[in-house]
Amino acid sequence: GAGVSQSPSNKVTEKGKDVELRCDPISGHTALYWYRQSLGQGLEFLIYFQGNSAPDKSGLPSDRFSAERTGGSVSTLTIQRTQQEDSAVYLCASSLIGQSMDEQYFGPGTRLTVT
Amino acid sequence: KQEVTQIPAALSVPEGENLVLNCSFTDSAIYNLQWFRQDPGKGLTSLLLIQSSQREQTSGRLNASLDKSSGRSTLYIAASQPGDSATYLCAVPGANNLFFGTGTRLTVIP
Repeated sequence: GAGVSQSPSNKVTEKGKDVELRCDPISGHTALYWYRQSLGQGLEFLIYFQGNSAPDKSGLPSDRFSAERTGGSVSTLTIQRTQQEDSAVYLCASSLIGQSMDEQYFGPGTRLTVT
Repeated sequence: KQEVTQIPAALSVPEGENLVLNCSFTDSAIYNLQWFRQDPGKGLTSLLLIQSSQREQTSGRLNASLDKSSGRSTLYIAASQPGDSATYLCAVPGANNLFFGTGTRLTVIP
C-alpha cells in the first residue's frame, strides 16, 4: 500500500517568508509525528498528533512553528517568518497506535532552504 | 532525558565482510528499539523493531539484538554488499516521540 508522502520535496524560500509543509500519513494510522533533521545534527522531535487528542507540541523550537492535522489525516507544518536556521529536512512519520509503542513509518522528507 | 549514542560514527568495509553497529541508550525503561536506514537525500526506512521483551530480531542478512539492562543494542550485517552503504540510525521511544542516535555512516567498498 501507499506509504507516508510529503510535499513539496524541496522548498527554497527567502528569509522572512512563511512556508507550509504537507504530510499524508498511511491510511488508518492514528498517530502522526513531525521531526527535523538539521545538517550535522540528529533528528529532533517537533510535534505529535494522536487521534482527537490535543497535540504534544513540546518539541516546537519557537512560536513561529505551528502544525495542524485536519480530519485525523493530513497534517500541515507551518513556519512563519522563516530564518536561515530553519533550513533542514523536515520528516513526517505515522504509526498505527501511537505513543511510540509501535513502528513508525517515515516519509521522504521536505528539504527546506532559507536564503 | 534519554540520550542515544552510536559508535562508530563512520565505518568503511570491503564487500563481503560481516560488521556490527552499536547503539547505547541511557534510560533502560523502553518499550522497544527501532533500527532505520537512511540513504543520502532520502527519508528513513525501518529495518527492524525489537520489543522490550525480545532479545533479538532477524530480517534477511540483518540481526539486531537488545540488552535493556545494559542499555545496548547491536545491528549485525552479514556478508555486506555495496547496496548496504547508507547511514544507520537507532531510536528509542519517549512519551510521544523517538529519540535518535546520530547514526553510523557505512560504506561498503566493492
